[in-house]
Amino acid sequence: QKEVEQNSGPLSVPEGAIASLNCTYSDRGSQSFFWYRQYSGKSPELIMSIYSNGDKEDGRFTAQLNKASQYVSLLIRDSQPSDSATYLCAVTPSSGSARQLTFGSGTQLTVLP
Amino acid sequence: DTAVSQTPKYLVTQMGNDKSIKCEQNLGHDTMYWYKQDSKKFLKIMFSYNNKELIINETVPNRFSPKSPDKAHLNLHINSLELGDSAVYFCASSQQRGREQYFGPGTRLTVT
Repeated sequence: QKEVEQNSGPLSVPEGAIASLNCTYSDRGSQSFFWYRQYSGKSPELIMSIYSNGDKEDGRFTAQLNKASQYVSLLIRDSQPSDSATYLCAVTPSSGSARQLTFGSGTQLTVLP
Repeated sequence: DTAVSQTPKYLVTQMGNDKSIKCEQNLGHDTMYWYKQDSKKFLKIMFSYNNKELIINETVPNRFSPKSPDKAHLNLHINSLELGDSAVYFCASSQQRGREQYFGPGTRLTVT
């Protein structure tokens, strides 16, 4: 079982819609969760971090964490073509590997004009 | 000012050669990392240094050797390059282990 799983996509949404990206993780003791955006040919860019259950909002982005169900999601409201990118979920495990981030394989999002 | 920088941005070389990639961060972070991103875009950690000490060395051929001369720098030296080493290599840093990581622009290595 992969430690961090994401649907690879591609996920296509029309401009102005809500894009919903999901991520599940296997380590129940994980404490820190991150969403990165990676444009083609560029480096991963941190867009959200979340540490406790519930929602965290930052502009058009909302991260949702449910530790009991072991999933974290990212909602992008009013999606724009400039949001088209690969979104990487990253999780810090509770132990092992010096508690380094483990990345999912990413979900490719395309926002259609 | 660039927070995490890497040089070179592109590296094209032949099999068997030795090459180095340099990374510097000006964020004052204690921990630095090297990642490899293959053609399938999977981001895999290779090494992690905390205050110049190696704390992670994942399953990586010993042809790869990281060196951290100080807390702000982490270099990656690769001996006897192979075709399979072709990938994008990212350097990253974080204030402490398990926290947000900030990535450099990447080095695209092509081995011919």
